[in-house]
Amino acid sequence: GQQLNQSPQSMFIQEGEDVSMNCTSSSIFNTWLWYKQDPGEGPVLLIALYKAGELTSNGRLTAQFGITRKDSFLNISASIPSDVGIYFCAGMNYGGSQGNLIFGKGTKLSVKP
Amino acid sequence: DARVTQTPRHKVTEMGQEVTMRCQPILGHNTVFWYRQTMMQGLELLAYFRNRAPLDDSGMPKDRFSAEMPDATLATLKIQPSEPRDSAVYFCASATRDPNYGYTFGSGTRLTVV
Repeated sequence: GQQLNQSPQSMFIQEGEDVSMNCTSSSIFNTWLWYKQDPGEGPVLLIALYKAGELTSNGRLTAQFGITRKDSFLNISASIPSDVGIYFCAGMNYGGSQGNLIFGKGTKLSVKP
Repeated sequence: DARVTQTPRHKVTEMGQEVTMRCQPILGHNTVFWYRQTMMQGLELLAYFRNRAPLDDSGMPKDRFSAEMPDATLATLKIQPSEPRDSAVYFCASATRDPNYGYTFGSGTRLTVV
């Protein structure tokens, strides 16, 4: 089945630094989504991407849908302590009888004040 | 602020006992998903429903797990009998007819089977 490889698995950075994480797939997707999970909570949608090459920002977050449709990256600029959490990429091919997301294993972000 | 509500938030049970987890999807969302999250496997899809009809439950161990939507405001995930390897966080998520807009997740049920 489809698999997503998300990297890095974890990051430990200084407050104020920029962060970059990415996701690659063995097959193409029509939609890429990025979620953040805080401890003890469910994942929350950050950014959704619908077209190859699309670059979308949400505050300090920027995500891109790769041209090949097999990858996506998420950048966080000027990290702050509340950015701590687990970031998940997810891909979807909506259509037919399906429509469920395939999730990466997550990137755990820790921020030193 | 629309939310997906899951109960209970935490459950500790003994091996062999029946466990029922409940989910109230966002009003108007017609697609409901059950995910299980563990350190080793990450987020795994167990089952999902559209308009209350089960569409895919291939991720669910059929011998002990069952998922139902008795009405549009309630989805249930039942484990009988429970085993220690079922210990995980179980998430419910709901979506509109066009799930390209992403899912909204509940806060999860943390299940511990001892």
